[in-house]
Amino acid sequence: DAMVIQNPRYQVTQFGKPVTLSCSQTLNHNVMYWYQQKSSQAPKLLFHYYDKDFNNEADTPDNFQSRRPNTSFCFLDIRSPGLGDAAMYLCATSRGQVFSGNTIYFGEGSWLTVV
Amino acid sequence: GIQVEQSPPDLILQEGANSTLRCNFSDSVNNLQWFHQNPWGQLINLFYIPSGTKQNGRLSATTVATERYSLLYISSSQTTDSGVYFCAGSGRGYQKVTFGTGTKLQVIP
Repeated sequence: DAMVIQNPRYQVTQFGKPVTLSCSQTLNHNVMYWYQQKSSQAPKLLFHYYDKDFNNEADTPDNFQSRRPNTSFCFLDIRSPGLGDAAMYLCATSRGQVFSGNTIYFGEGSWLTVV
Repeated sequence: GIQVEQSPPDLILQEGANSTLRCNFSDSVNNLQWFHQNPWGQLINLFYIPSGTKQNGRLSATTVATERYSLLYISSSQTTDSGVYFCAGSGRGYQKVTFGTGTKLQVIP
């Protein structure tokens, strides 16, 4: 059974029209991450939550925001999608800090197309 | 942050062949993981291996932390092994996990 669930799996949005991607987890993990992966590239970390503490990567555009209303759910909001934001967005979780030896578990990803 | 390079970038194997994938990192990492991304995009964790050797079926991995590299061995490859293999790690004390450049593997019947 899937433990990190992302919805929708496929999303087509218009240029500039806000979009929200959701992620839920059944693992009760403390840490949740959002990664962006463009075609033929490695996943790139956008931000992560440790419980309610939000950690934004320095190079994450302001256009990307996130919410974590509770342990199980995390949302990625793209306020004004541009063509360059077309990518797969991966949600992931870990029980604790990765530098403490915690494995990361990924969802199946949400493919975003901007038209 | 750390830099993670993988080689080879692309690999085509005949089914049944063995292969070795390499991951080099620019600085010490205390959390080294190998992932397989299948053709549908799902990333599956294969190994958490900050040092030493681990085996899981036809796959095994070795990390030599003092020399800043890790190897992933695939034996008796199958078509289902196709996809992209990533190594990823975080620097000492850092939460951010940096992914390597990836090795795209195609196993042909």
